[in-house]
Amino acid sequence: KAGVTQTPRYLIKTRGQQVTLSCSPISGHRSVSWYQQTPGQGLQFLFEYFSETQRNKGNFPGRFSGRQFSNSRSEMNVSTLELGDSALYLCASSLEDSISTDTQYFGPGTRLTVL
Amino acid sequence: AQKVTQAQTEISVVEKEDVTLDCVYETRDTTYYLFWYKQPPSGELVFLIRRNSFDEQNEISGRYSWNFQKSTSSFNFTITASQVVDSAVYFCALSEEKSPGSARQLTFGSGTQLTVLP
Repeated sequence: KAGVTQTPRYLIKTRGQQVTLSCSPISGHRSVSWYQQTPGQGLQFLFEYFSETQRNKGNFPGRFSGRQFSNSRSEMNVSTLELGDSALYLCASSLEDSISTDTQYFGPGTRLTVL
Repeated sequence: AQKVTQAQTEISVVEKEDVTLDCVYETRDTTYYLFWYKQPPSGELVFLIRRNSFDEQNEISGRYSWNFQKSTSSFNFTITASQVVDSAVYFCALSEEKSPGSARQLTFGSGTQLTVLP
């Protein structure tokens, strides 16, 4: 089975622009979560989607948004980019076939640089 | 609120040495899950192990072993006979039991950079 894929792998934007990152989960996985990784703050949870619905959101401003499509693919969007948004954005998927916690499998990440 | 502490920021060992990475967690839940992930320079987080809070059995997988102790809220990771390819950042993470319809999220420690020298 193919793993979690993320596109693009690298992105350079300037302040004020917006960006859209894409994530394709492992086939059959229904939950997609997004995390931001920075040297200063470490790995922080952004949000989680299941069945096209956002179920949980981390402590990030409204400039960070996302969505999930019917095929479980997910996108996240960051508007009005700030220098501090430079980070590695990681997507993870999990099976979600029971009420117990499933393991999250991560993609390679998208490295966003804001100039 | 849940919290994961990895006090060791960086560890350097010589190949074939054993090394233990420490992880201490805090949670109010009685049911929770602990994870270890490895992040090589490529950036992808590679899943290593998951333990349930009700299962304190230690686990061994090849050169890797994990020691889970609820009494001390610790979930330590040992690499035996380390190899250069083990060099990476290792993250410990915690997830609380979800109720139906709720979401999960992983709370990560700050990571331990392991360098194995030849």
